[in-house]
Amino acid sequence: GAVVSQHPSWVICKSGTSVKIECRSLDFQATTMFWYRQFPKQSLMLMATSNEGSKATYEQGVEKDKFLINHASLTLSTLTVTSAHPEDSSFYICSALVATAGRARDEQFFGPGTRLTVL
Amino acid sequence: DAKTTQPNSMESNEEEPVHLPCNHSTISGTDYIHWYRQLPSQGPEYVIHGLTSNVNNRMASLAIAEDRKSSTLILHRATLRDAAVYYCILRGGTASKLTFGTGTRLQVTL
Repeated sequence: GAVVSQHPSWVICKSGTSVKIECRSLDFQATTMFWYRQFPKQSLMLMATSNEGSKATYEQGVEKDKFLINHASLTLSTLTVTSAHPEDSSFYICSALVATAGRARDEQFFGPGTRLTVL
Repeated sequence: DAKTTQPNSMESNEEEPVHLPCNHSTISGTDYIHWYRQLPSQGPEYVIHGLTSNVNNRMASLAIAEDRKSSTLILHRATLRDAAVYYCILRGGTASKLTFGTGTRLQVTL
């Protein structure tokens, strides 16, 4: 299957700083990438849909000025958590969409996740 | 999005088959049934998906009820590496995004 990488795999930062997380599709081009957040013992929550060359679409309740998403190329999307606070500590996961015939047949391939800890 | 209902947890012995149920009574005619699993501290992994007919791949089988209101993911011989949270997700014919529910936590014991 297609491979999606994330960098870094974990990061610890001080409150008030900004953190950038990269999501790369390594062996395919992805016009659409998704960003999820997962708190301990909870399910994944979709934060935003990122389309190459256009603005991201954020889910209800997700602050677009706090979680900046850039999808400048077909293989790279970045999520920047601005002015991070302890409540932003979470497991951030990206996925990339591999389009096949018929959109409902599309497969999403997920990255390994980035664990963010804000002190 | 149509919702799915799964048991919170299930247990299985290694080398035995596992049947993971999913109810989706409000499924629409264009919804595909997708299964993903998430191993501890990892991103989810695609398992299988189907529309109406049963599906088989190297990882699992998907049995879909005739009325499509339920489905069952079948792991033919569970191993310790299959211990994960299994998510049953419906995706509409024109939707790309996945909405994760709470899933079923599968424990596999020796």
